[in-house]
Amino acid sequence: SQTIHQWPATLVQPVGSPLSLECTVEGTSNPNLYWYRQAAGRGLQLLFYSVGIGQISSEVPQNLSASRPQDRQFILSSKKLLLSDSGFYLCAWSVHRAGAHNEQFFGPGTRLTVL
Amino acid sequence: GQQVMQIPQYQHVQEGEDFTTYCNSSTTLSNIQWYKQRPGGHPVFLIQLVKSGEVKKQKRLTFQFGEAKKNSSLHITATQTTDVGTYFCAAGIEKWSASNTGKLIFGQGTTLQVKP
Repeated sequence: SQTIHQWPATLVQPVGSPLSLECTVEGTSNPNLYWYRQAAGRGLQLLFYSVGIGQISSEVPQNLSASRPQDRQFILSSKKLLLSDSGFYLCAWSVHRAGAHNEQFFGPGTRLTVL
Repeated sequence: GQQVMQIPQYQHVQEGEDFTTYCNSSTTLSNIQWYKQRPGGHPVFLIQLVKSGEVKKQKRLTFQFGEAKKNSSLHITATQTTDVGTYFCAAGIEKWSASNTGKLIFGQGTTLQVKP
């Protein structure tokens, strides 16, 4: 069966510090991968998505970046965190099939607080 | 960009009452999905609707996709405390391209609170 891992579960970082969040998927190959951010009590904002290794689409301008160095690994990074980067970061995967919008499976998330 | 509007933002009901959340788009959708996020948790897939006018049921939950494929609703009959959480609709846009394959547009969610 497929599983998705995210770490760390919680993170407190000072403004201006770097960030690296990692997401890995097991039990499937060539998945679509997604990074979302959820502010407290708000909806899901799609940040990045990837349909293959090295293929990253950015949805909103920001000081975050994403990389997909391996098929089932998705990394969210920042060189310098801002206060507004605080939130709940969710990684998700879906089956990759051309023309399809398949259900997405979410990881447990990382709660990031920038102080 | 495309948006999916979801209303209401919050709903407080007495246990046993019904609950409905609505999702609307200005553009035709290829499909609509519904997710539930429990407090402190992550979204979990509930169902996908694809066909115009489609209706699906899961126990006390009824999901509908509009005839024009621009709106959808989730109705819960006789709510229970276990129904507490935020319900999101997520839309797959009609015009697919290689650059947006798999991408969903999430509504802002409806947070349901149930008083026992």
